[in-house]
Amino acid sequence: ETGVTQTPRHLVMGMTNKKSLKCEQHLGHNAMYWYKQSAKKPLELMFVYNFKEQTENNSVPSRFSPECPNSSHLFLHLHTLQPEDSALYLCASSPGLDADTQYFGPGTRLTVL
Amino acid sequence: GQNIDQPTEMTATEGAIVQINCTYQTSGFNGLFWYQQHAGEAPTFLSYNVLDGLEEKGRFSSFLSRSKGYSYLLLKELQMKYSASYLCAVMDSNYQLIWGAGTKLIIKP
Repeated sequence: ETGVTQTPRHLVMGMTNKKSLKCEQHLGHNAMYWYKQSAKKPLELMFVYNFKEQTENNSVPSRFSPECPNSSHLFLHLHTLQPEDSALYLCASSPGLDADTQYFGPGTRLTVL
Repeated sequence: GQNIDQPTEMTATEGAIVQINCTYQTSGFNGLFWYQQHAGEAPTFLSYNVLDGLEEKGRFSSFLSRSKGYSYLLLKELQMKYSASYLCAVMDSNYQLIWGAGTKLIIKP
């Protein structure tokens, strides 16, 4: 257990569905991250939040919409996804944005049909 | 561009030693991380190097040479449970982690 939980662990959705991924951290951290992990590819940083404010959006398509209501919770809202969006979506948190270790959740395995 | 290179896959024998190399080219350097990731699980932190030299933590050691843009992770007395992917990541000048694609380590009895 890393102190970061994600739900659901697995999700299958059609291209017209709307779904949300949830992440919660119990570490008292101030920064939270969404990453995409595709097979045999490096982790891709999607979004960064620090003290609930978005500090990074790495040119992510608008069909992915993040939400951070407080420093402990992070959501990723999904809408009109494409099959190439199928991947493992990882959430992470860290004390701050400096050279701090990031702690990861177990991820949500997303399949888009 | 920024780039992290590590071997795609390595095989080793239980009880042996294995060294996983990582080379990097990044915009700035604020430390290098190694993570372990078992299939279907979260990446878990193993080590952090920011100064040159060897950091030892029991059966795991990590080495860094900033001038060469090079690091390695050394695993000793391999156990079957160490079969996993090992991810190398460098924190750049903007404090963003740049990730390698990971090295899948297969351990055989």
